Amino acid sequence: NAGVTQTPKFRVLKTGQSMTLLCAQDMNHEYMYWYRQDPGMGLRLIHYSVGEGTTAKGEVPDGYNVSRLKKQNFLLGLESAAPSQTSVYFCASRAGGTGSYNEQFFGPGTRLTVL
Amino acid sequence: AQKVTQAQTEISVVEKEDVTLDCVYETRDTTYYLFWYKQPPSGELVFLIRRNSFDEQNEISGRYSWNFQKSTSSFNFTITASQVVDSAVYFCALSERGFGGSARQLTFGSGTQLTVLP
Repeated sequence: NAGVTQTPKFRVLKTGQSMTLLCAQDMNHEYMYWYRQDPGMGLRLIHYSVGEGTTAKGEVPDGYNVSRLKKQNFLLGLESAAPSQTSVYFCASRAGGTGSYNEQFFGPGTRLTVL
Repeated sequence: AQKVTQAQTEISVVEKEDVTLDCVYETRDTTYYLFWYKQPPSGELVFLIRRNSFDEQNEISGRYSWNFQKSTSSFNFTITASQVVDSAVYFCALSERGFGGSARQLTFGSGTQLTVLP
């Protein structure tokens, strides 16, 4: 099992450019998440998905869009990148169910710089 | 609203010293989960422990131990006999139990940078 993978690992964009970050998981998890990590602020939730075809906003969704067309993939899009979106982006997934908490598994992160 | 506070931004110790990382949380939920993650210089997030709100037993795993006190809303992490390899950023996080389509998102503290000097 590869677990949670993220593509690309690094990217540099110019202001106004667009890009898509891909997150893939092979654990058949229902839930998937996109977080951003900024210095001194910990991780903050951008968007999440509770299942294929569904998405919802998190704490800091502005400037991002997401799609979950396939259960194993969760895409994060930046339509018009801004320097404020320079950050490290982490994807996570977890199993569903209403029983005891299921751990979130994190990808290795994508470091994005917007000039 | 949930909140996690890690008041210690940076801690520096000499190898073999014990060190405690503080975590204070706020939540309105009666059932919740607390976590510690380690982020080494390589950048990945490494899961260390999960604690349920209804289980206040302290836990020890090798040189690591965790002290959970609901009365003070704290979930502190102690490393005994620290080593250089323990140098990392440590995050405390909180998740509500949630039901149905709830996100059960993790709310992270801002992290504590631990540096262990040889």
